[in-house]
Amino acid sequence: DIQVTQSPSSLSASVGDRVTMTCRASERISTYLNWYQQRPGKAPKALIYGASNLQSGVPSRFSGSGSGAEFTLTISDLQPEDFATYYCQQSYRKPRTFGRGTRLDI
Amino acid sequence: QEQLVQSGSDLKRPGASVKVSCRASGYPFTTHAIYWVRQAPGQGLEWVGWINTANGNPTYAQGFTGRLVLSLDTSATTSHLQINSLKTEDTATYYCAREHLTDNVFDLWGQGTVVSVSS
Repeated sequence: DIQVTQSPSSLSASVGDRVTMTCRASERISTYLNWYQQRPGKAPKALIYGASNLQSGVPSRFSGSGSGAEFTLTISDLQPEDFATYYCQQSYRKPRTFGRGTRLDI
Repeated sequence: QEQLVQSGSDLKRPGASVKVSCRASGYPFTTHAIYWVRQAPGQGLEWVGWINTANGNPTYAQGFTGRLVLSLDTSATTSHLQINSLKTEDTATYYCAREHLTDNVFDLWGQGTVVSVSS
């Protein structure tokens, strides 16, 4: 299985900040990388697919970049509802493995 | 409206079995694979298996083979996850998710089912 590693495991920020988090795959996966947001007690929600494509309805302050084995998720102008845990997932090969998550705290 | 609706929470004893259902509506059921993902308390997301809804072929994560059974009731547009010989470490929230046909992203999720295993 392809391993996916996220960093940092947690991040502290304030409303209005810009934050970046990273995801690394154990092999090159082109742009087959997705990002999800999970708020406490809720199901995950897709934010970005194909490394940089915004899922329908997701605010434009979320952006993704990268290809090959290294990817980033950037959130600009943090809003209170953005404080959550973010997971990346490779979709290059089945099974669609997840990273362990980055928790974004105030 | 596209949605996945899961069955309610369950409490089981170690060694018992549990069956969780995931009913799809609002889209053609057999065109999208259904994944099952679990999340232990305070932990991350872990895929446990997926099922091809076109032919019913299941695939299981390593470590679950032999205890996990994924099945379909196509007429009821429902996928089932059965876990046999439950262990306390199976305590988790179990989610079903639909994989988008072309974008390879889990674009629709069930609300989650809490399975608690305790003696």
